[in-house]
Amino acid sequence: NAGVMQNPRHLVRRRGQEARLRCSPMKGHSHVYWYRQLPEEGLKFMVYLQKENIIDESGMPKERFSAEFPKEGPSILRIQQVVRGDSAAYFCASSPTGGTKNIQYFGAGTRLSVL
Amino acid sequence: QQQVKQSPQSLIVQKGGISIINCAYENTAFDYFPWYQQFPGKGPALLIAIRPDVSEKKEGRFTISFNKSAKQFSLHIMDSQPGDSATYFCAAQMNRDDKIIFGKGTRLHILP
Repeated sequence: NAGVMQNPRHLVRRRGQEARLRCSPMKGHSHVYWYRQLPEEGLKFMVYLQKENIIDESGMPKERFSAEFPKEGPSILRIQQVVRGDSAAYFCASSPTGGTKNIQYFGAGTRLSVL
Repeated sequence: QQQVKQSPQSLIVQKGGISIINCAYENTAFDYFPWYQQFPGKGPALLIAIRPDVSEKKEGRFTISFNKSAKQFSLHIMDSQPGDSATYFCAAQMNRDDKIIFGKGTRLHILP
């Protein structure tokens, strides 16, 4: 049973370009979470999605960032017009259902570098 | 505003020693306190977790001590081994909420 798969593992973009980060949850998991880790910082929650629904986007920057989890296919975190401050590791986690009774399993992350 | 404060930032312990990492929180609505272990280039993985109705939880060499009145909790790693060298994050979560609030992490290095 494969774990949470994130790709690409490393992504380099120039300022102003778009970044698309993909996350395939564990089999049987329908809840996906995105977190961002800045250098020397802990992970910060960005958004929580279920299939075709955004449940909590309280951690998402108001502009340039969007996320989706379509009925078919992986969850996508999209960053438009990237800036240097977007350079970070972005982690996706999944769980079978929500709440603290279910462990969130993390992927290995996508490391975004903005030149 | 940092909701979960973690210390120390880094820690060096001799092999066989006890590693202790401390965390404090403010929000009394938190009711689940997990610890995550992260190796370089990997995602965090749940190590051990506790709810505030117990004061201690032990799993193998890893123990969480929880002080509800002080709003503090700590991770103790007994007989620390070089393979324990990693970054450890304390965290907190509310049952009605799904996001995990992480501390800033402690980089632990166990000397062989």
